[in-house]
Amino acid sequence: DAGITQSPRHKVTETGTPVTLRCHQTENHRYMYWYRQDPGHGLRLIHYSYGVKDTDKGEVSDGYSVSRSKTEDFLLTLESATSSQTSVYFCAISLGRGSNTEAFFGQGTRLTVV
Amino acid sequence: TQLLEQSPQFLSIQEGENLTVYCNSSSVFSSLQWYRQEPGEGPVLLVTVVTGGEVKKLKRLTFQFGDARKDSSLHITAAQPGDTGLYLCAGAGASYGKLTFGQGTILTVHP
Repeated sequence: DAGITQSPRHKVTETGTPVTLRCHQTENHRYMYWYRQDPGHGLRLIHYSYGVKDTDKGEVSDGYSVSRSKTEDFLLTLESATSSQTSVYFCAISLGRGSNTEAFFGQGTRLTVV
Repeated sequence: TQLLEQSPQFLSIQEGENLTVYCNSSSVFSSLQWYRQEPGEGPVLLVTVVTGGEVKKLKRLTFQFGDARKDSSLHITAAQPGDTGLYLCAGAGASYGKLTFGQGTILTVHP
């Protein structure tokens, strides 16, 4: 199994509070991603990183920010949590080379905003 | 924005039956991947298809990439309860390192 650790695994937070989710990898992969998974929507890309301090937006980036100060760590911050951000969040990594972009996923973080 | 339409969204069958899941798009993908996800876990890669018309087999699972690299299918022969799970297709497009996922197919195989 790819060495990807997400923390925390579960979190309940109140509306309006900031929340940070952490993804840590031991594979030295260049690309890291944050997805959210909601019923009927599959996996939707929030933000991704293609190197240290290099990040870009995905399709559902509003209300989220990311940082990558080291190759192994990719942080996702909900600046002011809202109930619509209740979801399961997955971190993924890939080599992102050529036409093969196989992704390896963490176990997910279940976030509930009340 | 590249979109992948996956169908059906739900599939409930008896053990021993065959099934096919489809993944369609109007966009061309450089490769297409299929993942399987179990409750409480992250998706796990099953296969990657790269060449138009390519067929790959993984035991009872057969994956095909369309000639135009816009669609793919997953066929399971003689389904077993252990095949139960969420199946996701994902396409790698022109944007380097980015994947677009379909909505997923929840498969339930009854003994």
